[in-house]
Amino acid sequence: AQSVTQLDSHVSVSEGTPVLLRCNYSSSYSPSLFWYVQHPNKGLQLLLKYTSAATLVKGINGFEAEFKKSETSFHLTKPSAHMSDAAEYFCVVREGTALIFGKGTTLSVSS
Amino acid sequence: EAGVVQSPRYKIIEKKQPVAFWCNPISGHNTLYWYRQNLGQGPELLIRYENEEAVDDSQLPKDRFSAERLKGVDSTLKIQPAELGDSAVYLCASSLVGASGRWAYEQYFGPGTRLTVT
Repeated sequence: AQSVTQLDSHVSVSEGTPVLLRCNYSSSYSPSLFWYVQHPNKGLQLLLKYTSAATLVKGINGFEAEFKKSETSFHLTKPSAHMSDAAEYFCVVREGTALIFGKGTTLSVSS
Repeated sequence: EAGVVQSPRYKIIEKKQPVAFWCNPISGHNTLYWYRQNLGQGPELLIRYENEEAVDDSQLPKDRFSAERLKGVDSTLKIQPAELGDSAVYLCASSLVGASGRWAYEQYFGPGTRLTVT
Protein backbone atom coordinates (compact mmCIF):
# COMPACT_ATOMS: atom_id res chain seq x y z
CA ALA A 1 0.00 0.00 0.00
CA GLN A 2 1.13 3.50 -0.73
CA SER A 3 1.37 6.21 1.91
CA VAL A 4 2.60 9.73 2.52
CA THR A 5 4.11 11.25 5.63
CA GLN A 6 3.97 14.96 6.27
CA LEU A 7 6.93 15.75 8.45
CA ASP A 8 5.56 18.87 10.14
CA SER A 9 2.14 19.24 11.67
CA HIS A 10 2.51 23.02 11.93
CA VAL A 11 4.70 25.54 10.09
CA SER A 12 4.82 29.24 10.93
CA VAL A 13 6.34 31.85 8.63
CA SER A 14 6.33 35.60 8.28
CA GLU A 15 4.70 37.25 5.31
CA GLY A 16 7.20 37.60 2.46
CA THR A 17 9.45 34.77 3.62
CA PRO A 18 9.80 31.37 1.90
CA VAL A 19 7.49 28.45 2.64
CA LEU A 20 8.62 24.81 2.86
CA LEU A 21 6.15 22.03 3.63
CA ARG A 22 7.75 18.61 3.70
CA CYS A 23 6.32 15.32 2.46
CA ASN A 24 7.83 11.88 2.07
CA TYR A 25 6.09 9.11 0.20
CA SER A 26 6.19 5.35 0.23
CA SER A 27 5.43 3.56 -3.02
CA SER A 28 6.57 0.41 -4.74
CA TYR A 29 6.29 2.06 -8.15
CA SER A 30 6.27 5.50 -9.69
CA PRO A 31 3.56 7.34 -7.81
CA SER A 32 1.10 10.06 -8.71
CA LEU A 33 1.46 12.75 -6.07
CA PHE A 34 -0.58 15.81 -5.27
CA TRP A 35 -0.76 18.73 -2.91
CA TYR A 36 -4.19 19.95 -1.82
CA VAL A 37 -5.02 23.03 0.24
CA GLN A 38 -8.00 23.42 2.57
CA HIS A 39 -9.07 26.82 3.78
CA PRO A 40 -11.43 26.99 6.79
CA ASN A 41 -14.96 25.97 5.91
CA LYS A 42 -14.05 25.49 2.27
CA GLY A 43 -13.53 22.48 0.06
CA LEU A 44 -10.19 20.94 -0.76
CA GLN A 45 -8.49 22.55 -3.72
CA LEU A 46 -5.79 21.01 -5.88
CA LEU A 47 -2.56 23.02 -5.79
CA LEU A 48 -0.47 20.85 -8.09
CA LYS A 49 0.14 17.29 -9.21
CA TYR A 50 3.04 15.10 -10.29
CA THR A 51 2.33 12.30 -12.75
CA SER A 52 5.82 11.19 -13.92
CA ALA A 53 6.45 14.07 -16.29
CA ALA A 54 8.72 16.93 -15.19
CA THR A 55 10.07 16.48 -11.68
CA LEU A 56 9.57 20.16 -10.86
CA VAL A 57 5.87 20.87 -10.84
CA LYS A 58 4.38 24.33 -10.79
CA GLY A 59 0.97 24.90 -9.31
CA ILE A 60 -1.44 27.68 -8.56
CA ASN A 61 -0.76 30.74 -6.40
CA GLY A 62 3.02 30.54 -6.88
CA PHE A 63 3.48 27.12 -5.27
CA GLU A 64 5.73 24.45 -6.70
CA ALA A 65 6.97 21.03 -5.67
CA GLU A 66 9.90 18.86 -6.65
CA PHE A 67 9.70 15.10 -6.98
CA LYS A 68 12.93 13.49 -5.75
CA LYS A 69 12.91 9.76 -6.23
CA SER A 70 16.25 9.24 -4.47
CA GLU A 71 14.88 10.91 -1.35
CA THR A 72 11.26 9.71 -1.79
CA SER A 73 10.21 13.29 -1.21
CA PHE A 74 7.71 15.73 -2.69
CA HIS A 75 8.19 18.96 -0.76
CA LEU A 76 5.99 22.00 -1.41
CA THR A 77 7.62 25.42 -1.65
CA LYS A 78 6.74 29.02 -2.30
CA PRO A 79 9.29 31.84 -2.52
CA SER A 80 7.25 34.42 -0.65
CA ALA A 81 4.36 33.72 1.71
CA HIS A 82 1.18 35.76 1.63
CA MET A 83 -1.35 36.10 4.40
CA SER A 84 -3.92 34.34 2.24
CA ASP A 85 -1.70 31.22 2.17
CA ALA A 86 -2.64 30.42 5.77
CA ALA A 87 -4.49 27.10 5.54
CA GLU A 88 -4.19 23.33 5.93
CA TYR A 89 -2.06 21.57 3.32
CA PHE A 90 -2.28 17.90 2.44
CA CYS A 91 0.22 15.76 0.59
CA VAL A 92 -1.62 13.03 -1.29
CA VAL A 93 -0.74 9.88 -3.22
CA ARG A 94 -3.06 8.16 -5.66
CA GLU A 95 -3.76 4.47 -5.20
CA GLY A 96 -5.83 3.27 -8.10
CA THR A 97 -8.45 5.95 -8.45
CA ALA A 98 -8.59 6.69 -4.73
CA LEU A 99 -6.51 9.31 -2.93
CA ILE A 100 -4.49 8.60 0.21
CA PHE A 101 -4.05 11.75 2.28
CA GLY A 102 -1.34 12.68 4.73
CA LYS A 103 -2.31 14.05 8.13
CA GLY A 104 -1.87 17.62 6.98
CA THR A 105 0.35 20.60 7.80
CA THR A 106 -1.13 23.79 9.17
CA LEU A 107 0.56 26.83 7.68
CA SER A 108 0.39 30.03 9.73
CA VAL A 109 1.49 33.34 8.21
CA SER A 110 2.19 36.33 10.41
CA SER A 111 2.47 39.93 9.32
CA GLU B 1 -19.42 25.59 -13.89
CA ALA B 2 -21.05 24.56 -10.61
CA GLY B 3 -18.86 22.62 -8.24
CA VAL B 4 -19.69 19.68 -6.03
CA VAL B 5 -22.70 20.55 -3.89
CA GLN B 6 -23.26 19.10 -0.44
CA SER B 7 -26.01 19.57 2.08
CA PRO B 8 -26.45 20.22 4.85
CA ARG B 9 -23.28 22.10 5.69
CA TYR B 10 -23.68 21.49 9.41
CA LYS B 11 -25.64 18.95 11.41
CA ILE B 12 -25.92 18.40 15.14
CA ILE B 13 -27.68 15.29 16.37
CA GLU B 14 -27.90 13.20 19.51
CA LYS B 15 -26.30 9.79 19.56
CA LYS B 16 -28.47 6.92 18.32
CA GLN B 17 -30.30 9.25 15.93
CA PRO B 18 -30.15 8.77 12.16
CA VAL B 19 -28.58 11.31 9.82
CA ALA B 20 -28.23 11.65 6.06
CA PHE B 21 -25.93 13.67 3.85
CA TRP B 22 -26.53 14.55 0.23
CA CYS B 23 -24.08 15.19 -2.58
CA ASN B 24 -24.56 16.40 -6.14
CA PRO B 25 -21.38 15.91 -8.20
CA ILE B 26 -20.13 17.97 -11.09
CA SER B 27 -22.17 17.32 -14.20
CA GLY B 28 -20.66 14.59 -16.36
CA HIS B 29 -18.46 13.10 -13.64
CA ASN B 30 -18.98 9.35 -13.56
CA THR B 31 -17.15 8.68 -10.30
CA LEU B 32 -18.22 9.86 -6.87
CA TYR B 33 -16.37 9.50 -3.58
CA TRP B 34 -17.35 9.88 0.05
CA TYR B 35 -14.57 10.68 2.51
CA ARG B 36 -14.57 11.18 6.25
CA GLN B 37 -12.20 13.71 7.81
CA ASN B 38 -11.65 13.47 11.54
CA LEU B 39 -10.39 16.49 13.42
CA GLY B 40 -6.70 17.06 12.75
CA GLN B 41 -6.50 14.30 10.17
CA GLY B 42 -6.58 13.96 6.41
CA PRO B 43 -9.68 12.66 4.65
CA GLU B 44 -10.15 8.89 4.45
CA LEU B 45 -12.12 7.19 1.72
CA LEU B 46 -15.39 5.57 2.78
CA ILE B 47 -16.86 4.52 -0.54
CA ARG B 48 -16.35 5.06 -4.26
CA TYR B 49 -18.98 4.83 -6.96
CA GLU B 50 -18.47 4.37 -10.66
CA ASN B 51 -21.78 5.47 -12.10
CA GLU B 52 -24.34 3.75 -9.83
CA GLU B 53 -22.10 0.86 -8.78
CA ALA B 54 -20.19 0.90 -5.49
CA VAL B 55 -16.77 -0.39 -6.57
CA ASP B 56 -14.86 0.21 -3.34
CA ASP B 57 -16.67 0.21 0.02
CA SER B 58 -14.06 -1.65 2.03
CA GLN B 59 -13.70 1.20 4.55
CA LEU B 60 -17.41 1.78 5.04
CA PRO B 61 -18.66 0.60 8.46
CA LYS B 62 -21.52 -1.39 7.05
CA ASP B 63 -23.25 -2.06 10.34
CA ARG B 64 -24.36 1.55 10.60
CA PHE B 65 -23.39 3.31 7.37
CA SER B 66 -25.12 3.00 4.03
CA ALA B 67 -24.87 4.87 0.76
CA GLU B 68 -26.63 4.98 -2.54
CA ARG B 69 -26.18 6.65 -5.87
CA LEU B 70 -29.39 6.23 -7.76
CA LYS B 71 -29.24 6.89 -11.50
CA GLY B 72 -25.52 7.45 -11.23
CA VAL B 73 -25.82 11.11 -10.39
CA ASP B 74 -26.37 12.43 -6.86
CA SER B 75 -25.68 10.36 -3.79
CA THR B 76 -26.81 9.98 -0.19
CA LEU B 77 -24.73 8.78 2.74
CA LYS B 78 -26.64 7.64 5.82
CA ILE B 79 -25.66 6.78 9.37
CA GLN B 80 -28.09 4.90 11.58
CA PRO B 81 -27.66 5.00 14.49
CA ALA B 82 -25.03 7.67 14.94
CA GLU B 83 -22.34 7.28 17.60
CA LEU B 84 -20.19 9.91 19.29
CA GLY B 85 -17.18 8.78 17.26
CA ASP B 86 -18.96 9.64 14.03
CA SER B 87 -18.41 13.34 14.64
CA ALA B 88 -16.35 14.46 11.66
CA VAL B 89 -16.53 16.30 8.35
CA TYR B 90 -18.00 14.21 5.56
CA LEU B 91 -16.62 15.16 2.16
CA CYS B 92 -17.95 14.31 -1.25
CA ALA B 93 -15.78 14.43 -4.35
CA SER B 94 -16.28 13.63 -8.00
CA SER B 95 -14.09 12.99 -11.02
CA LEU B 96 -14.09 11.63 -14.53
CA VAL B 97 -12.50 8.19 -14.66
CA GLY B 98 -11.80 5.99 -17.65
CA ALA B 99 -12.84 2.39 -18.03
CA SER B 100 -11.40 0.10 -15.35
CA GLY B 101 -9.73 3.10 -13.75
CA ARG B 102 -7.03 3.27 -16.38
CA TRP B 103 -6.99 7.00 -16.18
CA ALA B 104 -8.49 9.55 -13.88
CA TYR B 105 -8.78 13.25 -13.92
CA GLU B 106 -8.61 15.47 -10.88
CA GLN B 107 -11.01 14.92 -7.99
CA TYR B 108 -13.11 17.95 -7.12
CA PHE B 109 -14.26 18.24 -3.55
CA GLY B 110 -17.37 19.75 -2.06
CA PRO B 111 -17.30 21.96 1.07
CA GLY B 112 -18.28 19.05 3.31
CA THR B 113 -20.87 18.42 6.00
CA ARG B 114 -19.67 18.92 9.56
CA LEU B 115 -21.44 16.40 11.79
CA THR B 116 -21.50 16.77 15.55
CA VAL B 117 -22.93 13.89 17.57
CA THR B 118 -23.77 14.76 21.18
